Amino acid sequence: NAGVTQTPKFRVLKTGQSMTLLCAQDMNHEYMYWYRQDPGMGLRLIHYSVGEGTTAKGEVPDGYNVSRLKKQNFLLGLESAAPSQTSVYFCASRTGGGIDTQYFGPGTRLTVL
Amino acid sequence: ELKVEQNPLFLSMQEGKNYTIYCNYSTTSDRLYWYRQDPGKSLESLFVLLSNGAVKQEGRLMASLDTKARLSTLHITAAVHDLSATYFCAPGEYSNYQLIWGAGTKLIIKP
Repeated sequence: NAGVTQTPKFRVLKTGQSMTLLCAQDMNHEYMYWYRQDPGMGLRLIHYSVGEGTTAKGEVPDGYNVSRLKKQNFLLGLESAAPSQTSVYFCASRTGGGIDTQYFGPGTRLTVL
Repeated sequence: ELKVEQNPLFLSMQEGKNYTIYCNYSTTSDRLYWYRQDPGKSLESLFVLLSNGAVKQEGRLMASLDTKARLSTLHITAAVHDLSATYFCAPGEYSNYQLIWGAGTKLIIKP
């Protein structure tokens, strides 16, 4: 049981390049989230999904797109990277019932030059 | 709109001392989580508090929730170096699918 995994762990992009971050969970969780973490600002929600085939905008969605074609995977895309998107990106998932803790992946450190 | 304020944002303390981190939030919430993050690492769940007056304890950490005051506290007893980390509180309304995160309290415990 790997929990929540993220690919890649590190990435450096040039301004204007595109990339996709992959999040995978093997816990059969319904809900998945993408956050960014910047120094001194806690976590900010980018997009989330309440089930396969669904996505919704969070607090800071501009410049990002997401897809949830399979229940276990949640993809975050940057179509045209900007230096302001330099951050650490975390994916999380939760069951949707019970205590309902969010479980986090290890993070992806992205630098946009 | 649910907003969260943690204080202090930075705390340096000696081993053996007691201290409290405060988490204030602006509107009603049906649950509150505390997480720990070590430098360069991911976030790890510590506690979930589901009702007014809830208290949870794990080792030297104790979390409590006062929904009427919209306040949660994380109390550290007889701190040890291994508790050095950043601690986040996150109240939320899962009817709205989201948690709202505090800025975090960076705790440094000196031997």
